[in-house]
Amino acid sequence: NAGVTQTPKFQVLKTGQSMTLQCAQDMNHNSMYWYRQDPGMGLRLIYYSASEGTTDKGEVPNGYNVSRLNKREFSLRLESAAPSQTSVYFCASSPSQGAGELFFGEGSRLTVL
Amino acid sequence: GENVEQHPSTLSVQEGDSAVIKCTYSDSASNYFPWYKQELGKRPQLIIDIRSNVGEKKDQRIAVTLNKTAKHFSLHITETQPEDSAVYFCAAAATGTASKLTFGTGTRLQVTL
Repeated sequence: NAGVTQTPKFQVLKTGQSMTLQCAQDMNHNSMYWYRQDPGMGLRLIYYSASEGTTDKGEVPNGYNVSRLNKREFSLRLESAAPSQTSVYFCASSPSQGAGELFFGEGSRLTVL
Repeated sequence: GENVEQHPSTLSVQEGDSAVIKCTYSDSASNYFPWYKQELGKRPQLIIDIRSNVGEKKDQRIAVTLNKTAKHFSLHITETQPEDSAVYFCAAAATGTASKLTFGTGTRLQVTL
């Protein structure tokens, strides 16, 4: 049982390049999330998917897009990376559609030069 | 939207002493308040949570208290041990279609020998 798996774990991009962060969970959870973590700012919600087939903006969605490919997978895309998007990105999932525990992946460290 | 403030940002205690971390929230609709622990380079993991229908919850050396009237909640760790050293995040969410947690900015707890 792997839980929540994110790829890649590390990535360096140049300004303007695009990339997709992949996330998959094997816990049959309904809801999935993408957070970014920056020093001194905690974790901020980028996008979430309450259930398969739905996605919604979180607190900091600008510059990102998401796709809920199926119940297991939720990807985050940066179309034109900017230095301000340098961060650690965490994918998470939760079993219910209401407020409850989040299960996080190991994180993806992204650097944009 | 919800705003969660967390204090202090750093906390140093001697082994065996107690540690208290405090959070305030702004949205009166919030009714779920978890605490996450993040060790260096690791993913955040839930250590305890409380819902608005109770005022206190304990789990061994960890306890959380909630004052809905004042919109604040606190984490109490007793008999601290070196392995308690980590960053702790409080969060808040309202019942809804997903577990949209708003996190505090974190408290770095250092337990010294």
